[in-house]
Amino acid sequence: GENVEQHPSTLSVQEGDSAVIKCTYSDSASNYFPWYKQELGKRPQLIIDIRSNVGEKKDQRIAVTLNKTAKHFSLHITETQPEDSAVYFCAATYNAGNMLTFGGGTRLMVKP
Amino acid sequence: GAGVSQSPRYKVAKRGQDVALRCDPISGHVSLFWYQQALGQGPEFLTYFQNEAQLDKSGLPSDRFFAERPEGSVSTLKIQRTQQEDSAVYLCAISSGRETQYFGPGTRLTVL
Repeated sequence: GENVEQHPSTLSVQEGDSAVIKCTYSDSASNYFPWYKQELGKRPQLIIDIRSNVGEKKDQRIAVTLNKTAKHFSLHITETQPEDSAVYFCAATYNAGNMLTFGGGTRLMVKP
Repeated sequence: GAGVSQSPRYKVAKRGQDVALRCDPISGHVSLFWYQQALGQGPEFLTYFQNEAQLDKSGLPSDRFFAERPEGSVSTLKIQRTQQEDSAVYLCAISSGRETQYFGPGTRLTVL
């Protein structure tokens, strides 16, 4: 089955700096890669996703890149703000309607 | 996020008790997933329904775990003879087939 590794497990940045979180996956058949943000005690919320037919997707301060050959994808957050502090999870699956395999999570702390 | 509710939000059980966790999606969501999220970890897949059919239960950790969705809407996850290692947040997610999964708020189960 699919295996997703996520790094780093914790990330501390100064407000206004950029943050990058990286994930690798094992199953070359995976073609859908969502990212979720989870604040303490809350549900995971989708922030951005990418399908394997594109290499990059951007939504305001958030972007995701995908390298199918190397089987890794990354989340980039620019101009970080304190409200970006949360745990971020990457995930992978074959088609969006199938079970997700999650990475272990990255705790992002943005210091004001 | 408003597309699915879960109840109860918190459940404390004594070891050996049976518990039932409910997931109530708004209508029209064909696919329903259950995930288990242990403290500090990413969600892990338990089981998946397409309408009333349980298509994949490979993630259920033991035969003490049972899930149903008899009318293709509300789903119940039942855990018999709870053990301390069952303590976790149980998340329900819904999607409309090939679309993204959206999570409910979860039920935090604590087994004493």
